[in-house]
Amino acid sequence: SSELTQDPAVSVALGQTVTITCQGDSLRKYYASWYQQKPGQAPTLVFYDKNNRPSGIPDRFSGSTKGDTAALTITGAQAEDEADYYCYSRDPTGDYRVFGGGTKLAVL
Amino acid sequence: QVQLQESGPGLVKPSQTLSLTCSVSGGSIYSRDYFWTWIRQSPGKGLEWIGHITYSGNARYNPSLKSRVSLSVDTARNQFSLRLGSVTAADTALYYCARDLGGTGYDFLDYWGQGNLVTVPS
Repeated sequence: SSELTQDPAVSVALGQTVTITCQGDSLRKYYASWYQQKPGQAPTLVFYDKNNRPSGIPDRFSGSTKGDTAALTITGAQAEDEADYYCYSRDPTGDYRVFGGGTKLAVL
Repeated sequence: QVQLQESGPGLVKPSQTLSLTCSVSGGSIYSRDYFWTWIRQSPGKGLEWIGHITYSGNARYNPSLKSRVSLSVDTARNQFSLRLGSVTAADTALYYCARDLGGTGYDFLDYWGQGNLVTVPS
């Protein structure tokens, strides 16, 4: 089991807003980063730290943290956003890294 | 543009040692900014952090794998490597190498390899 907990699956209607969450004690101290993985591809970074989006990532992707929960929000979800999403951060000791279990996003 | 490329055998027999190498191009492995990382993904499953190593050889390992895993770095060849011993079918996975900006105070993986599928027959 992962020390970062994600909902296994989430769905959103095309053009609507969806939030994917990641919960863990370590997130009270460390930021999460978020990765999108499409079938047959390596994961790609979509958001990191407090408020950073890599170049080339659409601004409909945003992130936030409150307490022990980090969130990735997609505002106006597009068909191409259908993918698996993973959060990544440290374990509570800070010594190791850990991934959340992943969330499969369906865009309906 | 930094690129990472995994290489190694696609089939490893049970009880043997899995060995993979990640070659880094477009940038130097010799930097205190980066943690050179191995990640794996079993078929149909999520991502699992295996461990990371710095250019100076300081390594951290996933506690669940620590007794079987070893990472090394070759700055002259701009490569880092993974060895996982006593493999079983449960170690069948797509193995990725990636770069973690942990040395900068941030924790994120900005560059990934395409992955190397390793199968351990049961």
